Amino acid sequence: GESVGLHLPTLSVQEGDNSIINCAYSNSASDYFIWYKQESGKGPQFIIDIRSNMDKRQGQRVTVLLNKTVKHLSLQIAATQPGDSAVYFCAETYRGAGGTSYGKLTFGQGTILTVHP
Amino acid sequence: EPEVTQTPSHQVTQMGQEVILRCVPISNHLYFYWYRQILGQKVEFLVSFYNNEISEKSEIFDDQFSVERPDGSNFTLKIRSTKLEDSAMYFCASSQDTQSRISYEQYFGPGTRLTVT
Repeated sequence: GESVGLHLPTLSVQEGDNSIINCAYSNSASDYFIWYKQESGKGPQFIIDIRSNMDKRQGQRVTVLLNKTVKHLSLQIAATQPGDSAVYFCAETYRGAGGTSYGKLTFGQGTILTVHP
Repeated sequence: EPEVTQTPSHQVTQMGQEVILRCVPISNHLYFYWYRQILGQKVEFLVSFYNNEISEKSEIFDDQFSVERPDGSNFTLKIRSTKLEDSAMYFCASSQDTQSRISYEQYFGPGTRLTVT
């Protein structure tokens, strides 16, 4: 069935290091991918997204890479800070049957990122 | 910055009781969603809602669940007869009309923690 999964459930890094969080997806129809950050007691917060017609997208300190050949997604965080400590989820979706909207997000299990000062 | 709000933040109820979780989506958004997250697990899609009707629902969203947009601002999730396994964080999300935007971000609320005893 459809699934989005993560290779590494936990990641510990030192402040200032770069972090890489990985995600595998299995639905070939997925054409839009998002990374969310979830801090304790809060809802998922959008970080960055990428459409399937791209293989790389950069934001402020974050980069998302998409490899459609192996159905792999990664989030790179540059110069990781203690405030980056959170659970990171990848999510995927696809354009609906009507072709005009995106529907449900399918989330992965999440990776716990801990940044040590 | 506009945000999705949810009330209450925590709801405790007895098994078999009805609960209504409330959400106020971002005002110019047209698509609305409910997700849930059982403690320690991934976020799971429940239902999406557009143009005053359900667009898509998951297997979790059985006859015990219903959604409603009773007025121009609120979006509610009702569970008619709660079960112990309904205990989870329930997140509401909303997104804009996706036809004219490159990004299809779903904005999440802070969640309602439902505890069924």
